[in-house]
Formats: sequence, structure tokens, C-alpha cells
Amino acid sequence: GDSVTQTEGPVTVSESESLIINCTYSATSIAYPNLFWYVRYPGEGLQLLLKVITAGQKGSSRGFEATYNKETTSFHLQKASVQESDSAVYYCALGSGGSNAKLTFGKGTKLSVKS
Amino acid sequence: GPKVLQIPSHQIIDMGQMVTLNCDPVSNHLYFYWYKQILGQQMEFLVNFYNGKVMEKSKLFKDQFSVERPDGSYFTLKIQPTALEDSAVYFCASSPRQANTGQLYFGEGSKLTVL
Repeated sequence: GDSVTQTEGPVTVSESESLIINCTYSATSIAYPNLFWYVRYPGEGLQLLLKVITAGQKGSSRGFEATYNKETTSFHLQKASVQESDSAVYYCALGSGGSNAKLTFGKGTKLSVKS
Repeated sequence: GPKVLQIPSHQIIDMGQMVTLNCDPVSNHLYFYWYKQILGQQMEFLVNFYNGKVMEKSKLFKDQFSVERPDGSYFTLKIQPTALEDSAVYFCASSPRQANTGQLYFGEGSKLTVL
């Protein structure tokens, strides 16, 4: 079946430092799945951070970027300079099976940003 | 932003009892979902629901599980009878259309503990 593997947390970085959270996927049900990063801020529900539906494209939101690399089956999340407000749990996910209702998630990476 | 509300946030019950988890989706959303996350594992798709019917379900959606949304009120997940392995956090999500863009809106989860 489909699977997503991401950086195991927790990850702690200092404010204004750069960040990368690795994500690799394996999609058996569909050749080119859609890829997503979701985020859960403290006290809130999971919400979509960014998505990319075309291989080779880059998605961005709130200073975060991720590029859909089908050669390495990766979708790493990066930010050049993190802020304390970025502290959250980040989930990489893929949509497959003809319907992205059935999202396959990674285990999540808890990020703590120190001021 | 749009919010999905889940009630209760935490429930403890004895094995064999029935439990109903309630979800108040974003108004005007048409598609509804339940995901299950066992402690330390990734969130996994259970079921999605549209126009009064189950559209897709995973193998995790056992015969003891049922979903409904009577008269456009709460979208509910009922487990009857419960088993120890049902202990998990259950996340409800909704979307305005089929989640081709991955734009699911999640609640904060209902933690179920089966003793």
C-alpha cells in the first residue's frame, strides 16, 4: 500500500534558523499522487499548509516551500528562517486512489522553535 | 478560518459499550470524513461520506462502525460494541467538494479510551 515517511521528531531549532523536514513517499495505487503538507498548531485542528499536484512543481505558503520530486519520491518541507509561531506538528501526506479523500499521512514531526 | 468541532474531546468507556463521536462540520461542506490515529502511529483514513451515503471505507472501518448525518445535524461515528483496539484519537474532517485539492478541514480530535 501507500506510505509516507518523514523526519522523526521532535525537532528543535532557534528562531531565524533554517529548517528542513524530510518526507519520502511510496505510492502503489497511483503513479503520480498529489502531495500535501498539513500542520497542527497548538490547540487547533489539522489544516492544509501547502499542496502540489504536479511532479516537478514547487508549492509555497507562509514562507514554507516543498518541491515534488518524482525521481527521489520526496517532498521535503523547507523554510529559510523560522519563527516561534511556526512551532507546531507537521504532517506530510499523499492523496491517491482516484480520490484524495483517502489521504495517507506520515507520523508527523513536532517542531519547536526557540526564541 | 473555518472550524470543525468535535464532541466529546475525550471519552472513557468500558469494552463492549457503545460510543458515539459527534462532529459539527464546516457549514456548507458536503463531504465528511473520519480518520483514526493510534498513539505513536500515523493518522489513517476510516471512511468518507457524501449525500447520506458512505463513499469509501478502509479495512479499519469494521462492521461495528457506522456513520450517519441525520437531518444535516452532527456527522457521527458510532462504535457498537467497542473493543480495546478501538482506543485512539478520532479526527473528523469536512470539505466543500471531493477532496481533489486536499483541502480538508479537520477537528481537534476525540480521544477514545476503551478499558
